[in-house]
Amino acid sequence: DTGVSQDPRHKITKRGQNVTFRCDPISEHNRLYWYRQTLGQGPEFLTYFQNEAQLEKSRLLSDRFSAERPKGSFSTLEIQRTEQGDSAMYLCASSPGMRNSPLHFGNGTRLTVT
Amino acid sequence: AQSVTQPDIHITVSEGASLELRCNYSYGATPYLFWYVQSPGQGLQLLLKYFSGDTLVQGIKGFEAEFKRSQSSFNLRKPSVHWSDAAEYFCAVGVGGGADGLTFGKGTHLIIQP
Repeated sequence: DTGVSQDPRHKITKRGQNVTFRCDPISEHNRLYWYRQTLGQGPEFLTYFQNEAQLEKSRLLSDRFSAERPKGSFSTLEIQRTEQGDSAMYLCASSPGMRNSPLHFGNGTRLTVT
Repeated sequence: AQSVTQPDIHITVSEGASLELRCNYSYGATPYLFWYVQSPGQGLQLLLKYFSGDTLVQGIKGFEAEFKRSQSSFNLRKPSVHWSDAAEYFCAVGVGGGADGLTFGKGTHLIIQP
């Protein structure tokens, strides 16, 4: 168990650029979640996958955001045409999928949009 | 919809003193409750969880929490804090809904005085 891995740890980009983040969950965890955390706030749910299927998306996930988990293992979160309001920590978590299993979080990707 | 309130944004405690962090939830049925800790620039680490049964749950690092249905509370306690406990603490509720993810409070920032 190597834990949830996220890459990159930090990303600085200019407004209008596209960015992509990667998350590698714990092996054999079939559920994968993306959360966003802004300064002074708790994590807010964005979306989640059961294996390769994206089962739920938050209203926070605008059409500039897209997430994939093509083979049911790693996941990517892409933000197109970034805005300054997208600056946040993006957290990935995974769980084995049993009802209300605790989420195991990665260390996050800190995005700064200038 | 479920919600979590952590009424204390900051708490300062002297090293060696006892600690209690408050958490209140809103949900119509019995919730699944969690406490996570986050160190600066890091992801979230699970401290403890309550699903059912004994209302006093033990966690890692000497933490415990008590579920009180009548007060809709799940307060976190530690009898003697250490300087390394300084961090952000998040209470979360899981309700087994479509996402099976968590709804987080805004967090309590714990400061340890020498």
